[in-house]
Amino acid sequence: GENVEQHPSTLSVQEGDSAVIKCTYSDSASNYFPWYKQELGKRPQLIIDIRSNVGEKKDQRIAVTLNKTAKHFSLHITETQPEDSAVYFCAASRTGANSKLTFGKGITLSVRP
Amino acid sequence: ETGVTQSPTHLIKTRGQQVTLRCSSQSGHNTVSWYQQALGQGPQFIFQYYREEENGRGNFPPRFSGLQFPNYSSELNVNALELDDSALYLCASSPRDGFRETQYFGPGTRLLVL
Repeated sequence: GENVEQHPSTLSVQEGDSAVIKCTYSDSASNYFPWYKQELGKRPQLIIDIRSNVGEKKDQRIAVTLNKTAKHFSLHITETQPEDSAVYFCAASRTGANSKLTFGKGITLSVRP
Repeated sequence: ETGVTQSPTHLIKTRGQQVTLRCSSQSGHNTVSWYQQALGQGPQFIFQYYREEENGRGNFPPRFSGLQFPNYSSELNVNALELDDSALYLCASSPRDGFRETQYFGPGTRLLVL
């Protein structure tokens, strides 16, 4: 089955700096890669996703890049703000009938004011 | 548009008991997936329901079972509760056919087994 790993496990950045969170996956048949943000005591919130036919996707201050050959994808957050502090999960899935999400263990991002 | 809702928010049970958790999918969504999230971990896939039938199951024993109703709401049932079942149980709904992998989560039910 699919195995998703996230690195690093914690990340601390100064407000205004950029943050990059990396994930690797094992199943070459996976072709959907979402990122979720989970604040303490709240639901995982889908913040951006990318499909395998696209190499990069941007939405305001966040972007995701995908390297299918190397089986890794990354979340980029620019101009970080204290409200970006949360746990970020990456996941991988096939599409359609086999669409179960396999999650990484999560990364705790702390943005220092 | 109404988001995914779950009930109850919190639950305390004792070992050996049975529990039923409920999920209402987002308006227009016909697929519901259930996940277990242990403290400090990522969600683990339990199973998915599509058009009232189980469509894929993760590495969970048969005492975890579910249902989906004609209005696309869903239940997760866990029999013979064990201490390790203590976790946050999340359901997620997906839009109609073609985007079942795009999943939006509810707030979860926090289950404590004593």
